[in-house]
Amino acid sequence: NAGVTQTPKFQVLKTGQSMTLQCAQDMNHNSMYWYRQDPGMGLRLIYYSASEGTTDKGEVPNGYNVSRLNKREFSLRLESAAPSQTSVYFCASSESRIRNQPQHFGDGTRLSIL
Amino acid sequence: TQLLEQSPQFLSIQEGENLTVYCNSSSVFSSLQWYRQEPGEGPVLLVTVVTGGEVKKLKRLTFQFGDARKDSSLHITAAQPGDTGLYLCAGASGTYKYIFGTGTRLKVLA
Repeated sequence: NAGVTQTPKFQVLKTGQSMTLQCAQDMNHNSMYWYRQDPGMGLRLIYYSASEGTTDKGEVPNGYNVSRLNKREFSLRLESAAPSQTSVYFCASSESRIRNQPQHFGDGTRLSIL
Repeated sequence: TQLLEQSPQFLSIQEGENLTVYCNSSSVFSSLQWYRQEPGEGPVLLVTVVTGGEVKKLKRLTFQFGDARKDSSLHITAAQPGDTGLYLCAGASGTYKYIFGTGTRLKVLA
């Protein structure tokens, strides 16, 4: 029972490089989320997908793109990485058709941009 | 913009002491969740409170949702080293989104 799986766990990029963070959930959840976590700022929502086929911007979407590939998978792409995007990235999923359901989080991707 | 401020930001206490963490906003939330996060892991849900004035107990943890649904508190009785972690509150913003608080980092010393 894997829950939410994120790959890779660690990554170091140079400024200007691109990369895609992968996320997959095996709980048949409708909604998926991407957050970034920076010291003293809690979790900030980058993008979310309320259901398969839809995506919407969160609080801090600039510099990122997402793809809801299917119900299980939700990827986050950095087209041209910047040092300000150094952070820990978390993917989460929830069964949003039922109110007040918990979000289930992966263990994060630690991304450093030099 | 909805914001959730948590206080204190850091807390270091001795085993057996009591503590309270606060989560405050100027916005009304339809529900509020508390999560705990340990190093190297994602947050894990502790509780959801829905009704203004609601109090929920989870063993030594007591959660309260303010009457106006703008604030919440987490009280831990007789803290143990296993309570160490980052505590996050999250308010429901619409049907699909949650706004997370700034976090309280708790360290309980044996």
